[in-house]
Formats: sequence, structure tokens, C-alpha cells
Amino acid sequence: GQQLNQSPQSMFIQEGEDVSMNCTSSSIFNTWLWYKQEPGEGPVLLIALYKAGELTSNGRLTAQFGITRKDSFLNISASIPSDVGIYFCAGQGQGAQKLVFGQGTRLTINP
Amino acid sequence: DVKVTQSSRYLVKRTGEKVFLECVQDMDHENMFWYRQDPGLGLRLIYFSYDVKMKEKGDIPEGYSVSREKKERFSLILESASTNQTSMYLCASSLPLTELFFGEGSRLTVL
Repeated sequence: GQQLNQSPQSMFIQEGEDVSMNCTSSSIFNTWLWYKQEPGEGPVLLIALYKAGELTSNGRLTAQFGITRKDSFLNISASIPSDVGIYFCAGQGQGAQKLVFGQGTRLTINP
Repeated sequence: DVKVTQSSRYLVKRTGEKVFLECVQDMDHENMFWYRQDPGLGLRLIYFSYDVKMKEKGDIPEGYSVSREKKERFSLILESASTNQTSMYLCASSLPLTELFFGEGSRLTVL
């Protein structure tokens, strides 16, 4: 099945640093979503993007829907210990009921 | 708040056993999904359903079947569990063409 290319696969950072991760696709998507999964839990939606070029913030998180509609990035500013987890991007094509997921970015923070 | 409840957080089964994973959502969502999550592979879609008694294969349906007799309940069945089906299983639901809401996951170990 189709998958998005999400990078990096893992990140080890110091508390207070900024984080950036991105997803690319060979297909055009109408919707980009970013989820976070904490250990032992299911993924939770962080940000949803519905329009090419859209830049959306949710607290310290900022995500953008690429102009080409084939990519998206997520930034986290001033990371804190509770940001630890796996971050997944997901794309949805026009009229598609299914999401296509990236492989995930595992974020580890050293206090 | 949307709630997706998976019946078992942790299961241990033996090879050849029949396994049922149950999922219930309380938001009257039409769509329900079963994903499998393995390290480095992200979320892979097993089956999904967009209506009662309707089902469609995802990317990795082999060895699995599903049942949706009621709108709020979507069951994943492993007819004869094998060790390569040891994994985290995630159920999700959504309205048509909108973001997914996930359950907490069921971690299955097949010995």
C-alpha cells in the first residue's frame, strides 16, 4: 500500500530545542493531518490542514500544507518533556475515505 | 468528546487460537478502521467499513476478517493466530472524509 515518506525516523534532542519533521508524497492530497502517539496510547490528532499553503498553529506546534499538495511539515518550538512520543503525518486524497500514514518520527527529549 | 473503546489493552494467545478484538465508538461515526502498528512500519490498514455490514480490504488483510453488525461496533478476527500477528492493533472511527479518532490500542502477543 501507499505510504508517505516521513523524516526523520527518530530525533534525540535537548529540552528547549526546536523540532522540525516533514512528510512527502508522490501523490497529491487534499488533507494533511498530524497525530501524536504517547507510549501505550493510540494516536491523537494535533493539527488538521485542508488547504494548500495553509499554516496552522496549535500552541507550540505549527504545521504547513505544502503548496504542491505533496508535502507537509510540523514544527515544535521550545520542546518540553511531555512532547515525547511518536508523531505521524497522514494524507487524504480527494474523495478518499482512507488515510495514508507516514512511518512516524520518534521524539526523545533529554532534560 | 469522541470515544473509541477497544475491549482489551493486552492479550496473550497461542498459535492457532481464534482471536477477537472488539472496538466500540460512541459518536455515530459511519466509518471504522482497523490498523496494525509495528516498529518502523507505521500504521498499516487491515480492513475498514463505511457502513453496517459493509467491509473493504485495506493494505494487509491476509489472515484477518472483520464483522460490523452494528454501527457502533467493529470487530477484528484472527481465525488462527500466528506469531507474525504479534503487534499493536488500533481501531479508529470517523465521519466520511474527515479525520480519524483512535482507540488506545490492543497489544497482542501470539506465542
